[in-house]
Amino acid sequence: QAVLTQPSSLSASPGASASLTCTLRSGINVGTYRIYWYQQKPGSPPQYLLSYKSDSDKQQGSGVPSRFSGSKDASANAGILLISGLQSEDEADYYCMIWHSSAVVFGGGSKLTVL
Amino acid sequence: EVQLVESGGGLVQPGGSLRLSCAASGFTFSSYSMNWVRQSPGKGLEWISYVSSGSSSIYYADSVKGRFTISRDNAKNSVYLQMNSLRADDAAVYYCARNADLDYWGQGALVTVSS
Repeated sequence: QAVLTQPSSLSASPGASASLTCTLRSGINVGTYRIYWYQQKPGSPPQYLLSYKSDSDKQQGSGVPSRFSGSKDASANAGILLISGLQSEDEADYYCMIWHSSAVVFGGGSKLTVL
Repeated sequence: EVQLVESGGGLVQPGGSLRLSCAASGFTFSSYSMNWVRQSPGKGLEWISYVSSGSSSIYYADSVKGRFTISRDNAKNSVYLQMNSLRADDAAVYYCARNADLDYWGQGALVTVSS
């Protein structure tokens, strides 16, 4: 079982909100981890969006709009990236990441389609 | 402005070696840890290696341990990735990324492994 699992794809309409999940493997407690999120558009390197550990411990990437926000669902053992007011430019691949056992672990990525 | 510029990519035969460089500017390089991350065509992100600001801590992914070596020269504002015993599955775009947050990424260097 992968350390981080993301749905391979999702779609949402312009102006709506999209919730991207990053589920941690059983036995790895989401509460103890900082979850990082990255956006990657075709032909470009990933861009850091934000990190979230708790409501009092979170960071927004430089220049990243506030409509990108992070949270956790402890019951699902998952990190969440919420994108509100979807725009066509938000169509991209999104990756979550954690530091686990002195290594960076990425989720498999979610392709967000805005249609 | 933070800039990371990778170089040294190219075509190499299986079993061969290649050294990637990442030149940094726009920030105090010696104060930041650095990472290498790769992405095979059409695939997700795979973290390769980490080096702390003073090189006291170095970590590798299991997939490259014993074959790849990360190093840095703070006087030259550069981080390097020496890749030996290259295999076909090492073919990818290699990115350097700043800090434990991976908050800034270079444009990437393409490595092709083929006979």
